[in-house]
Amino acid sequence: QVQLQQWGAGLLKPSETLSLTCAVYGGSFSGNYWSWIRQPPGKGLEWIGDINDSGRTNYSPSLESRVTISADTSKNQFSLHLRSVTAADMAVYYCARGPLSLDYWGQGSLVTVSS
Amino acid sequence: DIVMTQTPLSLSVTPGQPASISCKSSQSLLDTDGKTYLSWYLQRPGQSPHLLIYEVSRRSSGVPDRFSGSGSGTDFTLIISRVEADDLGLYYCMQGTHLPLTFGGGTRVDNK
Repeated sequence: QVQLQQWGAGLLKPSETLSLTCAVYGGSFSGNYWSWIRQPPGKGLEWIGDINDSGRTNYSPSLESRVTISADTSKNQFSLHLRSVTAADMAVYYCARGPLSLDYWGQGSLVTVSS
Repeated sequence: DIVMTQTPLSLSVTPGQPASISCKSSQSLLDTDGKTYLSWYLQRPGQSPHLLIYEVSRRSSGVPDRFSGSGSGTDFTLIISRVEADDLGLYYCMQGTHLPLTFGGGTRVDNK
């Protein structure tokens, strides 16, 4: 059974960089794309981007200028970095396995942005 | 980006009765490989979303057969044949055919 466990800083100041990591247990890192999705409080889901085991990435155009997704295949982990955060980036961030549908999800990480 | 439009925004249901959610995409979701990458998710309160249906009509492992998906091209439907208490929450459709992946706005299903 595949499990995704995610962690990272939950409280940021404006202009700081959001950093989250997701570890994959019980399944192969290869042959899949690994996504990040976010959900602002009381709102819907927004796909941020994904990465495969070769390091190929895809990003949402709306966030591409501030986002980097990376992977450490030796640890079966992938990470999200979102630069220059503002209050608009406050959300629960999820990692998930893709690419064509998202069949396994992490537990979610609440990220708050406040000065 | 492909725009996914879900209706209704909310649905009040009586347990044991059917429920139907519509999802329409701004472009066809038929991929060049002949498959259509439309999936449905349920997010129970306080939980992560989980996959119900993929490729329009294929149930994910462990999903009860009271859930069914149908549609093609730009019009899709999720049907719950007899709603149970465990089915209450937010439902989202998502397209995986075109990048970026995009979700519908969600449909809240609660008790009448």
